[in-house]
Amino acid sequence: DTAVSQTPKYLVTQMGNDKSIKCEQNLGHDTMYWYKQDSKKFLKIMFSYNNKELIINETVPNRFSPKSPDKAHLNLHINSLELGDSAVYFCASTRDSGGAGSETQYFGPGTRLLVL
Amino acid sequence: AQTVTQSQPEMSVQEAETVTLSCTYDTSESDYYLFWYKQPPSRQMILVIRQEAYKQQNATENRFSVNFQKAAKSFSLKISDSQLGDAAMYFCAYRSYYAGGTSYGKLTFGQGTILTVHP
Repeated sequence: DTAVSQTPKYLVTQMGNDKSIKCEQNLGHDTMYWYKQDSKKFLKIMFSYNNKELIINETVPNRFSPKSPDKAHLNLHINSLELGDSAVYFCASTRDSGGAGSETQYFGPGTRLLVL
Repeated sequence: AQTVTQSQPEMSVQEAETVTLSCTYDTSESDYYLFWYKQPPSRQMILVIRQEAYKQQNATENRFSVNFQKAAKSFSLKISDSQLGDAAMYFCAYRSYYAGGTSYGKLTFGQGTILTVHP
């Protein structure tokens, strides 16, 4: 019954590899986000999708490619992983659909990525 | 662009006492939302409380309340009757009122404050 789920929860990999993180929400929300939490716990937006359309891309290296196959899913694929990509990646969703709203963002449990 | 500042990297409180976490923000917008999120060691982000900028009344949720000072751009969180389960990292976050455009509802976070609760 998890509202926003992410897989995997932990990911350990070597530099240069390609990996994907998956996110699914069963809340019927229109908008989904990826946030990165670095080693100092700072949280920063990476991407936002609304109804499968990319809305926000916050100066993220193009090694990161989000994909939204449908409204309930937002995946993050990372090519050629670097040491600096080690972080916790959070998926979030909200019911906003383009208009003014006060919808709260619901977060997934996070995926801890460690690049060796 | 909006910025959010939490000037207290760490705070501590005795169980059953009251503690206040500070947050200031900078924006040119007049309508927006402010949030406090809690991140316990489990790392799950949990919404604690939400404030709409157009509402003068301060939000409250059980033991949690805010002091929202719009002119001063200040949004502090007060935790009353602190419990051991309140120990966590607390993040203040800002969101534009209008979900469209390039901000599209994104949250801008402060640096976080680690709260320790002593028994």
